Amino acid sequence: EPEVTQTPSHQVTQMGQEVILRCVPISNHLYFYWYRQILGQKVEFLVSFYNNEISEKSEIFDDQFSVERPDGSNFTLKIRSTKLEDSAMYFCASEGLAGANEQFFGPGTRLTVL
Amino acid sequence: TQLLEQSPQFLSIQEGENLTVYCNSSSVFSSLQWYRQEPGEGPVLLVTVVTGGEVKKLKRLTFQFGDARKDSSLHITAAQPGDTGLYLCAGARNTGNQFYFGTGTSLTVIP
Repeated sequence: EPEVTQTPSHQVTQMGQEVILRCVPISNHLYFYWYRQILGQKVEFLVSFYNNEISEKSEIFDDQFSVERPDGSNFTLKIRSTKLEDSAMYFCASEGLAGANEQFFGPGTRLTVL
Repeated sequence: TQLLEQSPQFLSIQEGENLTVYCNSSSVFSSLQWYRQEPGEGPVLLVTVVTGGEVKKLKRLTFQFGDARKDSSLHITAAQPGDTGLYLCAGARNTGNQFYFGTGTSLTVIP
């Protein structure tokens, strides 16, 4: 069964460093998302991406964040200068046909900022 | 901000008991999803409901979408230890839009 994959599973970085989180969505899906979940808190939306551009973003997704779909298969989230409060699980999700309203989530990347 | 409230937040029951988890909002959603999440893993989709009043069954799990599409419930019959996990509801306004996640219900089924 097709699934969303994410790498790495765990990333440790120093405050101020750049990180790139990678996702491979389900191959025929059209909509892509990043969410984060701080430990013990609920899942929060960051950004959605469709037709090679951002379609929606939350207040969390400030200038430090960017997304790309560089090669038609990977979907990346970049954090330019990490802060301690960026430590969280980051989930990628993808959605297929219009009207499906079903987002499938990857296993997540645990980002730890020291 | 769309807000989905789940209740109860924590639930601990004996194996074989029945339980219901609620997901409520003051906002209308075009669809509502239920996910189950294990510690350190991503949410796994259980079901999507799209029509007001819709009822879907997945083995011992019964999901209902409220008539006004503002709320939903998850009922588990004869709970088993394997049902232990975090249950999340998430609402969407339209395809391609963000999901608004509920606060979660942590279920523990004691053998």
